[in-house]
Parts: sequence; C-alpha cells; structure tokens
Amino acid sequence: GAVVSQHPSRVICKSGTSVKIECRSLDFQATTMFWYRQFPKQSLMLMATSNEGSKATYEQGVEKDKFLINHASLTLSTLTVTSAHPEDSSFYICSATRTSGGAQEQFFGPGTRLTVL
Amino acid sequence: KQEVTQIPAALSVPEGENLVLNCSFTDSAIYNLQWFRQDPGKGLTSLLLIQSSQREQTSGRLNASLDKSSGRSTLYIAASQPGDSATYLCAGRFSGGYNKLIFGAGTRLAVHP
Repeated sequence: GAVVSQHPSRVICKSGTSVKIECRSLDFQATTMFWYRQFPKQSLMLMATSNEGSKATYEQGVEKDKFLINHASLTLSTLTVTSAHPEDSSFYICSATRTSGGAQEQFFGPGTRLTVL
Repeated sequence: KQEVTQIPAALSVPEGENLVLNCSFTDSAIYNLQWFRQDPGKGLTSLLLIQSSQREQTSGRLNASLDKSSGRSTLYIAASQPGDSATYLCAGRFSGGYNKLIFGAGTRLAVHP
C-alpha cells in the first residue's frame, strides 16, 4: 500500500514561534497533496491544496500568510505555521493523491499534534 | 454546496453484532467515495474506495455500497469485534472539486465485549 509520512509527529512550542511540518509520500509521486486540521472530536477540515511547482490553493477562511505551504517536489510538501498562537493548537494531517489506472485515491499521513503554549 | 453527512454520530453495540453506518451527500455528481477509520489521536486508514461506476466494494468483514441517485453510501460491518472500535469517516470526491475530499463528521463506534 501507499505510505505517507509526517514529521514531526508531535510538537510543543511557545507562542510566537514558527513550526514546520513535513509531509512525504514514500513510495509514490504525488502531484497533489492536501493539508487538513482537526479539532478534538471533530472531522477533518481542508485547509489547502498543495500542487507541486505552483502556489497552494487555500480554502475560504484560511490565512495564507499564517499557514505557508511549499510543495517543492513530487514527494514532499511542507506546512509552516508562522507566529503560532494557542488557538493554532490542533491535529494537522496531510494526504497525498496517488493516480493508478485512471483512479485517484488519497493516502493520509499519521498526523502532527501541535500544542502552542 | 457539497456536503457530506453521517448518521449516527455515535454507536455502541455488543460484540458480534452486524451494523450499518450511513453516509449521505448532496451532490450526485460524485467522482468517488472513500471510507476511513481513525483511531484516537491517529491519522486515517483507508478502508474502501468506491468509484462512481461501482455499486459496492468488499474487504473482509466490511462492505460499502454507493447509490448515486439517492446520494447515499453505507458501510456494513459484519460480526463486529472490540478491535473495530474507532471513528469511521466517509468522504466524497466530487466532479469539479479538483480532487478535494469532503468529509462527514464521522461515526464514533464502540464495540463492547
């Protein structure tokens, strides 16, 4: 099966610092990756669509200057939470799209728990 | 607006029961639908993917169906086990959605011995 990794799995930081989260597709190339956030006992909310070699597309209400996304290669996308504040504390999950035989399927990373003190 | 709804929000059953989780969506122009499992504090595990041209998919004790005309999908779990306890999410990919998955809120399943 397709494998997507995230690093770090857990991060605790002070308010005002920036945090970078990496998402990698380990055994396939992904032209499109997605970033989600999930609050406790709630579903996943799509933040942005990350396309290799181009600017990310952000969902309504998501601040692009706050959540910087870079998709530098077909196997790596990064999400940087700039000047993090306690309200940014959440579970961040990425996914990568694999195309096989004309069908597209998303595979999800294990998530990154961000706690901002 | 494309929306995905899951009912019930929570379900508790005794071990061994067969059960059905429901998912409905508002846009019949669905490209495919995916069922996921999420354990507490963990990422998502893909269970089944149904293309719009398919009516059902099976994997072990799991069977998922898709009815585009009525905007519904069901996940059937046979002979439930305590290890099935988790949150089950359905998500649809719709035409014109540029590969975005729209998630339901999930059903929290507890299977007790």
